Order: sequence, then C-alpha cells, then structure tokens
Amino acid sequence: ILNVEQSPQSLHVQEGDSTNFTCSFPSSNFYALHWYRWETAKSPEALFVMTLNGDEKKKGRISATLNTKEGYSYLYIKGSQPEDSATYLCAFAGTASKLTFGTGTRLQVTL
Amino acid sequence: KAGVTQTPRYLIKTRGQQVTLSCSPISGHRSVSWYQQTPGQGLQFLFEYFSETQRNKGNFPGRFSGRQFSNSRSEMNVSTLELGDSALYLCASTTGSGNTIYFGEGSWLTVV
Repeated sequence: ILNVEQSPQSLHVQEGDSTNFTCSFPSSNFYALHWYRWETAKSPEALFVMTLNGDEKKKGRISATLNTKEGYSYLYIKGSQPEDSATYLCAFAGTASKLTFGTGTRLQVTL
Repeated sequence: KAGVTQTPRYLIKTRGQQVTLSCSPISGHRSVSWYQQTPGQGLQFLFEYFSETQRNKGNFPGRFSGRQFSNSRSEMNVSTLELGDSALYLCASTTGSGNTIYFGEGSWLTVV
C-alpha cells in the first residue's frame, strides 16, 4: 500500500505570511508528483506536475521543489493572500495516470 | 476549451439501488480516471480507462465498474448501493502521456 503523507494537516496564517507544506512519498517506482489546490465546491486545480529529481517549479507566488531520492516535495506560498485559502493536495504517480493522494494541508489565510 | 464535465452533480439513491455517473473529458483527452472521496478519507483511485480499455484498477469491490466510449466519454456504475458508498465521485482526464491531469467538479452521491 502506497503511503503519501502531507504535513501539516492544517495551517492558519496571516495575510502576507509566507508558508510551506511537505509531501512525503515512496522513493521507488516514481513517475511524477502532482500538486493541486482544492477550494470547497470547486474542482481540484492543477498547480504543478513534477517529474525530475531537483525540479523546481513556480506559478506566481507559489513554487514547489522535488526530491525523488529521499521522497519529498515542498510547496511554498510567498506573501499569502486570503484567496490562497484552500486545501493543497499532493499526489504520487507511479504510472502516468494513476494518482495516490495525500490527505491534504488545509490552509486558512486571514486578514 | 471546456473542462471535464460530470453529470449529475447531486443525487440521492436508496440502499440496494444502482447508479450511473457520467464524465465527459476535455476534448482530445483519451484517458479518464475516477476517484472517490468519503468523509475523512483522501481521494481514492477507482479505475482508469484509456481508448475504451481499463488500464488501471484500484482496490474497490466488483460492484464498482466503468466503461469508456469511442468518444472518450466515460461512465461509472455502482450496483447494490450501500450507505458507505455515499461520497464525492471525481472524474479526471488527461492525454495519457503523464501530463497534467484535470478534474471535474464531481458528483455527490448520497445513499439513504
């Protein structure tokens, strides 16, 4: 059974704070690591697909890094805004299209 | 470009009944996957279809089945519904080549 773990489970920050989350996954049979942002009543929004060890990706104020040898990925949000409030999910892919999800980090950003 | 479309969005069924959920993938996407989320659980992989063939399967009982049509639209069926099948069912599509996987908004199923 694949184990994908995310920490922390939830996070409450003030507007303007920078924050980061961790995703741990198996270091064997790695194909890709996906990050999603999921707001209530909406579909999960794809943030990044990371495939290579040492990958670093950036989208606006959000960035992610990948270490496949030790089995972890970090997601960073710089200068958090209230609209960043959501659940952030990582998903391990051992094949092209079968994802094993973590349980997510719930982020709340307040003014 | 239209996203992944799922129908119906909400439905209520009685124990013992069966249900069919539908998913229209993004145009050009040949891979369609289905996931289940129950309260307190993460998203669990059900199965994946690619070019009308089941390519991957998760650890769900045989009551859960699916199919894919030649236009890549997919349906999943749950027979003999149980209370524990109450969940959000998400459909996802991709080109099938390890690129971004896009999700629909889901179908909320309540079994009473």
